[in-house]
Amino acid sequence: AQTVTQSQPEMSVQEAETVTLSCTYDTSENNYYLFWYKQPPSRQMILVIRQEAYKQQNATENRFSVNFQKAAKSFSLKISDSQLGDTAMYFCAFMKHEANSKLTFGKGITLSVRP
Amino acid sequence: EPEVTQTPSHQVTQMGQEVILRCVPISNHLYFYWYRQILGQKVEFLVSFYNNEISEKSEIFDDQFSVERPDGSNFTLKIRSTKLEDSAMYFCASAKVNPNYGYTFGSGTRLTVV
Repeated sequence: AQTVTQSQPEMSVQEAETVTLSCTYDTSENNYYLFWYKQPPSRQMILVIRQEAYKQQNATENRFSVNFQKAAKSFSLKISDSQLGDTAMYFCAFMKHEANSKLTFGKGITLSVRP
Repeated sequence: EPEVTQTPSHQVTQMGQEVILRCVPISNHLYFYWYRQILGQKVEFLVSFYNNEISEKSEIFDDQFSVERPDGSNFTLKIRSTKLEDSAMYFCASAKVNPNYGYTFGSGTRLTVV
C-alpha cells in the first residue's frame, strides 16, 4: 500500500516571498504520478501541479514548481512570489500508473500568506 | 471552463436516514469518483466508477453505500442509514480519458448527521 506523509501541519509566509511545502511518500511501484492539490476556504480541490515519476525533470506551472527526488521519495512544492490568494490547504497525493487509479492523499498543510 | 457540479452544498440529516448526494460530472468524462474528508482530516477514497460499474471501492465503502449513474449525466452517492461518523465533506470527481492526468473535483457536499 502507498502512504503519503506531510509532516508540517501549517506554515506561514510573507506576501511576495517563496515557501516550500514538504511531502514524502512510500511505495514499491516504479511508475507513478504525484500531485499537489490546493483547497482554499471554498473547499474545492484544485489541481496545482503534476509530476510523472519516470520523468527526471521537475514540473513547473508558473509560480509553482516541484523538487522531485525519486530515490528519496520526496516531492516538495515551491511557491514563488506568494500571493494572498495562495492561502489554502495544500495536499500532496500519489497515484499508481494503472488504469483508473485512485489518489492517495497526505494529511495536508495549511498555508497562510501574510500581507 | 467545465465544472463538476455537486448538490446540495450542505445537507443535514438525522441519524438512520437515507441521503443521496448528487454530482454532475463534466459531460465528456468517463471516470467518476467519490472521496470524503472528515473535518480536519485527510481526503479518503471511497469508490471509482467506469463503464457503468464500480471499478474499485475502499473498506469505508460498505453495504451502506451505493453509487449510480441513473441517466447518463448524474452520478449519485447514496448512504442508506446514516451514522454520526458519516458526517464529512463528500467530493465527487471525474476524469476524461486518462485519470493519470488528475481529476477535476467538485466543490463538495458537506453532510452533517445529527
